[in-house]
Formats: sequence, structure tokens, C-alpha cells
Amino acid sequence: AAGVIQSPRHLIKEKRETATLKCYPIPRHDTVYWYQQGPGQDPQFLISFYEKMQSDKGSIPDRFSAQQFSDYHSELNMSSLELGDSALYFCASSPSGQGGTQYFGPGTRLTVL
Amino acid sequence: RKEVEQDPGPFNVPEGATVAFNCTYSNSASQSFFWYRQDCRKEPKLLMSVYSSGNEDGRFTAQLNRASQYISLLIRDSKLSDSATYLCVVGRGTYKYIFGTGTRLKVLA
Repeated sequence: AAGVIQSPRHLIKEKRETATLKCYPIPRHDTVYWYQQGPGQDPQFLISFYEKMQSDKGSIPDRFSAQQFSDYHSELNMSSLELGDSALYFCASSPSGQGGTQYFGPGTRLTVL
Repeated sequence: RKEVEQDPGPFNVPEGATVAFNCTYSNSASQSFFWYRQDCRKEPKLLMSVYSSGNEDGRFTAQLNRASQYISLLIRDSKLSDSATYLCVVGRGTYKYIFGTGTRLKVLA
């Protein structure tokens, strides 16, 4: 079965650079979520989109922005990167109307040097 | 205090043992409950949803106690492959999951 696809899988950036992470949800899933997981920590909810509109917002820094496109894929844009942004970034998707059960992608490992 | 709390462990148990994890949540408006499993450096994978009536999937049994605001996961006949971090996840509304810090399980041969 098709799963959530994230790209790139690994990304290395310098401080103050920008990064764009991409997420392709499971087909027919219209809701996308972004999470940040630091070393030894639990995933922290950043932001979610339903039908291309932002549906909820968590602890997403102002330096980050995200959007969902007409094909339901989503992009997380990160600017003025800081060392503390180094983490695993997971995207999850869910079909609306199924209680919100979320299925996670393999993650993008971002390292900021 | 975190909204969803778990004992971080680690729980070290021999193969074949039965082990139970609890998780407490503080927001009474929480609507959905899940257990996810996460292997090192991998994505969380849904283990099971948790329903008020309790539910079982093979060696795994989940229970929800809304009055006391906790959920539990019981694993019977532990296998080496069960070694992982088990994340308690609470849903508030349709669009927000709150994760517990996870409980590490190590099954020993």
C-alpha cells in the first residue's frame, strides 16, 4: 500500500540558510500534519492542513511557514535556520471522516551546522 | 506538567513476559486515543486505536479509562521484535495529536 512520502530524507544546512521539506500524503488523504522530533524527545506538533487550508497550529516558529497545494502535497519552509532546528521532521496524513488516524512518513532528518 | 504523561522506562523484560504501560492525559476534552510504536530513528507506526470498550489485537490489549483519564497497553508473550518505544497519543479535535514522551521497552533473550 502507498505510504506517505517525504523528501529529502536527509538535509544538511548552515545556520541562517533556508530549507524546504516536502510531503506527499497517502492517496485520497486530504489532511496533512507536520511534526518536529528532537533527539530523545517526543514528536511536537507544528501545523496541519485540511483541504489546502490551515486547520490547526502548534509550536511552529514564526521563521517557518507551510502550505498545502491543490494536489494535497505540503511543503514546510524554514528560514534563518538555527542549530536548534536540527531534528527529525515528520509529515503525517489522514483521511477526513475516519477519526483523524494519522499515518506517518519516514521523516526528513535536518542537520543545521 | 505535560498534557500526556508516560513512564519513560526503560522496561527490560525477558522474552515471553507480559508487560503493561500506562499513560495519563490531563485534558478531559481529548477525543481519540492511540498507541504508536517507534523504532530508533524511524517514523511512528500506528499500533492500535483505543476505544472505551477496550480492544485487543493479537498479543496487544488496549484499555481506556475516561473517568481516571488514562489509557493502558498490555503486551503478552513479549517477542524480541517488540523492543521499541511505545508512544501514547491523544487526539484533541480532528487535527491535533498530543504525544507522550514514550516508554522504552527492551525484550531480552
